[in-house]
Amino acid sequence: QQQVKQSPQSLIVQKGGISIINCAYENTAFDYFPWYQQFPGKGPALLIAIRPDVSEKKEGRFTISFNKSAKQFSLHIMDSQPGDSATYFCAAPNQAGTALIFGKGTTLSVSS
Amino acid sequence: DTEVTQTPKHLVMGMTNKKSLKCEQHMGHRAMYWYKQKAKKPPELMFVYSYEKLSINESVPSRFSPECPNSSLLNLHLHALQPEDSALYLCASSQALGNQPQHFGDGTRLSIL
Repeated sequence: QQQVKQSPQSLIVQKGGISIINCAYENTAFDYFPWYQQFPGKGPALLIAIRPDVSEKKEGRFTISFNKSAKQFSLHIMDSQPGDSATYFCAAPNQAGTALIFGKGTTLSVSS
Repeated sequence: DTEVTQTPKHLVMGMTNKKSLKCEQHMGHRAMYWYKQKAKKPPELMFVYSYEKLSINESVPSRFSPECPNSSLLNLHLHALQPEDSALYLCASSQALGNQPQHFGDGTRLSIL
């Protein structure tokens, strides 16, 4: 079964620090890699996404780095803030390209 | 506020009840999805509709019955559920099937007594 392996499971970062979450995928046919942010009691919200024709995409404090040869992509949150405390999911399309497969999630806590 | 609206936000039902979850989007998206999410777990795909036709059923028990009356609406009919079906049920939509951004609603928190 296709998988998207996400690490770490949980992360504690000081305010102002850098949060880094990693994902590894298997299927080389994947060509769309989104990150979702989920707060308690809310649905996942699309945070940022990348396609493999670029190695990095930046939106404000959030950056996706993509390593096609290693089949890995990561989310970097610069200047982490307490309001960033949430669960983050990476995702990738299934083999048929018809739906998303989610990583297991990373719970981020930013301490003030 | 999300652009995918789900009602009700919370639902408590007995194992013999029949109820329905509703999802609506007005973004002109032609693909709609139902996911199930247990606490501290990722969303798990249940059903996918494309152009109002059921495209994927991830071997979901028949006590869950999806319906797509039109391109903006998606329902999930529930009957004879089990306690283990208690979860957050999420609806999502995307412009089309394929490698497209999916937009999620805030879900219905379902509790089965």
